[in-house]
Amino acid sequence: DAGVTQSPTHLIKTRGQHVTLRCSPISGHKSVSWYQQVLGQGPQFIFQYYEKEERGRGNFPDRFSARQFPNYSSELNVNALLLGDSALYLCASIRGRGPGPQYFGPGTRLLVL
Amino acid sequence: AQTVTQSQPEMSVQEAETVTLSCTYDTSESDYYLFWYKQPPSRQMILVIRQEAYKQQNATENRFSVNFQKAAKSFSLKISDSQLGDAAMYFCAYRSGNSGGSNYKLTFGKGTLLTVNP
Repeated sequence: DAGVTQSPTHLIKTRGQHVTLRCSPISGHKSVSWYQQVLGQGPQFIFQYYEKEERGRGNFPDRFSARQFPNYSSELNVNALLLGDSALYLCASIRGRGPGPQYFGPGTRLLVL
Repeated sequence: AQTVTQSQPEMSVQEAETVTLSCTYDTSESDYYLFWYKQPPSRQMILVIRQEAYKQQNATENRFSVNFQKAAKSFSLKISDSQLGDAAMYFCAYRSGNSGGSNYKLTFGKGTLLTVNP
């Protein structure tokens, strides 16, 4: 089975622009979480979605939004980009609600100029 | 709120030797999970090992084992017979065991960069 996939792998934007990042979970996994990893830091939780509903939100501004589609893939949207949004954005999938581990995708590297 | 602390920004080990990475955490919960993730330069976050707080027995996965001290809120990772491929950033992570809400949220430490010398 394919692992978690994310697109694009790299992205360069300018301040004020909008960006959409995409994630496809492992087949059979119904939950997706998004994390932001700034250089030199551990990942920070942004959102969790399960069965197309938001189930958790981290301490991020309303410029960050996400959604999950019927096929369980997900999009992370960031509006009005700031320089500080430059980071590696990681997506993780879990089979369902329970104690199973999260499996991460390769990430999208976003650079805001 | 839960916090995870990794006090060693960098560690190095000789190939074939053993190294221990430290992690402490703070929580008021009794039910939770602890993880070690490895992030090589390729950036892919890879699960190394997992520990359920209700289990007294320390988890092991081949050359990787943990020393879980619940009362001390300590969760160290031991890598035996270190290999060049073990070189990576290692993150300790905490997840609540409570059902509902954002119980999938992982809280990460800042990481420990492990160098393996040939």
